[in-house]
Amino acid sequence: ETGVTQSPTHLIKTRGQQVTLRCSSQSGHNTVSWYQQALGQGPQFIFQYYREEENGRGNFPPRFSGLQFPNYSSELNVNALELDDSALYLCASSPGQGGYGYTFGSGTRLTVV
Amino acid sequence: GNSVTQMEGPVTLSEEAFLTINCTYTATGYPSLFWYVQYPGEGLQLLLKATKADDKGSNKGFEATYRKETTSFHLEKGSVQVSDSAVYFCALKRLRGSQGNLIFGKGTKLSVKP
Repeated sequence: ETGVTQSPTHLIKTRGQQVTLRCSSQSGHNTVSWYQQALGQGPQFIFQYYREEENGRGNFPPRFSGLQFPNYSSELNVNALELDDSALYLCASSPGQGGYGYTFGSGTRLTVV
Repeated sequence: GNSVTQMEGPVTLSEEAFLTINCTYTATGYPSLFWYVQYPGEGLQLLLKATKADDKGSNKGFEATYRKETTSFHLEKGSVQVSDSAVYFCALKRLRGSQGNLIFGKGTKLSVKP
């Protein structure tokens, strides 16, 4: 049973650019959630995808968007990057929408300069 | 709104010392409560959970009891090991419609010295 895989592990972008982060969910999991973890802070919920549709969103602007594919993998896209977007982005998959049984990936460390 | 407050770290203990990390929450309704652990360079791992008042979650020697009267979920371990050094996050989950996102505290860094 594979876990949650995120790519890339690290990247550096320039302010104003766009970035795409990827996540492969754990086998048998149909729900993917994304979290942003700023340095020294707890993770904050960005949004959740279930059966290819967004079904929950935290307090993040529309320039944060996502996709979920038929194989339940997911992408997080961030447009018009700002310095404050520098953070660890965590993907978590679960076997249902209820939020139980989360498996987290190791994250993508994004640095915006 | 819903929120989690946990004691600030870092916490430094000697091996075999007793550990307590305080966590209190504010929530509408009856949330489920969790402790997650994050080792350096890794994602979050579920340590334990409790889904209703007076439930005790336990795992790997760690325990936490869901106290509704004090809105608390303090993490305890009787004898810590160097391998317990990590960042610990208290979290709550509320259900709104079909969504079940987690709300985390800021985390408490634990360092255990030999």
